[in-house]
Amino acid sequence: AQTVTQSQPEMSVQEAETVTLSCTYDTSENNYYLFWYKQPPSRQMILVIRQEAYKQQNATENRFSVNFQKAAKSFSLKISDSQLGDTAMYFCAFGVQGAQKLVFGQGTRLTINP
Amino acid sequence: NAGVTQTPKFQVLKTGQSMTLQCAQDMNHEYMSWYRQDPGMGLRLIHYSVGAGITDQGEVPNGYNVSRSTTEDFPLRLLSAAPSQTSVYFCASSYSGFSAGYEQYFGPGTRLTVT
Repeated sequence: AQTVTQSQPEMSVQEAETVTLSCTYDTSENNYYLFWYKQPPSRQMILVIRQEAYKQQNATENRFSVNFQKAAKSFSLKISDSQLGDTAMYFCAFGVQGAQKLVFGQGTRLTINP
Repeated sequence: NAGVTQTPKFQVLKTGQSMTLQCAQDMNHEYMSWYRQDPGMGLRLIHYSVGAGITDQGEVPNGYNVSRSTTEDFPLRLLSAAPSQTSVYFCASSYSGFSAGYEQYFGPGTRLTVT
């Protein structure tokens, strides 16, 4: 069974700093997708970034980027120039092509301090 | 588009009561799913559907029932509520369940308390 582990339950940084959230996963599959979802205090889940396992290039979306290490089964999220609006729970998720299911990590609660 | 809507937003049940959490989407998505969110455990898949008339179990299906008679609606039924079902429930949809790469769109969640 696939598992996703986020080893940092909580993190806190100052506004404008860079922060990296960790995620590791376990799978024997070769064709899969990885996601980071954000859940602000409003509770609404929002997709932050997505990575296809077959792509070697790391995905980026404005201030958000990932460090995808396929051999190490690691998928960290880097937030540059952090903003107060980045305060949220962040979930790493994993989906195997054709498996019709997403597996989520436990989440990391990120607080951006002014 | 309203996206994914869920009703109610909050609900308190007594042990043994039954109820249905409603979920609807207006994006013509084939894939719909239900998750529960508990502290320290992330989101866990309860049931999912890859199209009207097709449902399957996720990671934690016990005590829940689903059906998918239309593309738009995917209700979740609690058959006999237990305190262990106290949780926040999210409905999600995506374009297709046959590719894991599609973005999932989530509803606003239902906070359920069972006393």
